[in-house]
Amino acid sequence: KAGVTQTPRYLIKTRGQQVTLSCSPISGHRSVSWYQQTPGQGLQFLFEYFSETQRNKGNFPGRFSGRQFSNSRSEMNVSTLELGDSALYLCASSLEAGPLHFGNGTRLTVT
Amino acid sequence: SQQGEEDPQALSIQEGENATMNCSYKTSINNLQWYRQNSGRGLVHLILIRSNEREKHSGRLRVTLDTSKKSSSLLITASRAADTASYFCATDAGGRLAFGKGNQVVVIP
Repeated sequence: KAGVTQTPRYLIKTRGQQVTLSCSPISGHRSVSWYQQTPGQGLQFLFEYFSETQRNKGNFPGRFSGRQFSNSRSEMNVSTLELGDSALYLCASSLEAGPLHFGNGTRLTVT
Repeated sequence: SQQGEEDPQALSIQEGENATMNCSYKTSINNLQWYRQNSGRGLVHLILIRSNEREKHSGRLRVTLDTSKKSSSLLITASRAADTASYFCATDAGGRLAFGKGNQVVVIP
C-alpha cells in the first residue's frame, strides 16, 4: 500500500498570505489528523477528520482550518500567515482507533 | 490537556549498548504509543501498549507501562547506528494523541 502523501514538501510564504496543504491518506483509512511541529512547542494537535466530519480540534486560532473529502483526502488551510506559523505540518491517517501513519510533512516557512 | 513527557531529553550511546527512555503522563489513558522520527521526516509508529498491559515486546524494543505511576519506558536493546532518531511517547485518552517533547538518541558506530 502507498503511504501517506503530503504536498507540497516545502513552501515559502509571506506574512499575511494564506496557504493550503494537502494530504492523501493510506487507502482505506478514514481518519486523518493534522499536527504542527516546532522546535519550541513540539508536536501539537491541530484537528482530526473522520468521514468528512471534524471529530476533534486542538487549541489553535480560527485561522487554521481543514476539511476532508469523500475520498478521505484532506486539506488544511492557514489564513493571514504569521511568522510563528513556520513549522513542519504533519498529516497522519489511521483506521478507527489504530496507530497513526504519518506522511513526511510539509515544511512551511513564513517570511 | 495531558501530555507525555520523556526523560532524558538527549542520549548518546555506543553501538551495541542499550538505550532506555522514560515517559510520564498526567491523566488516565486508553493506551500509550511510541514513535520514532528521523530528521525532517514523519513519525513512524513503533509499538502500542494498552492500559491493561504491563509489558510488550517487538523485536529489539521493550515497552513497560505502570499506570499507577503514570509512566512508561522504552528500551532499545543492542542499538545500531540506524536507531539514531528522536523518540516520542504519545498518550491516547480518546479523541487525540498527545505527544511528548521527544528524546534525541544518537548511536555512535
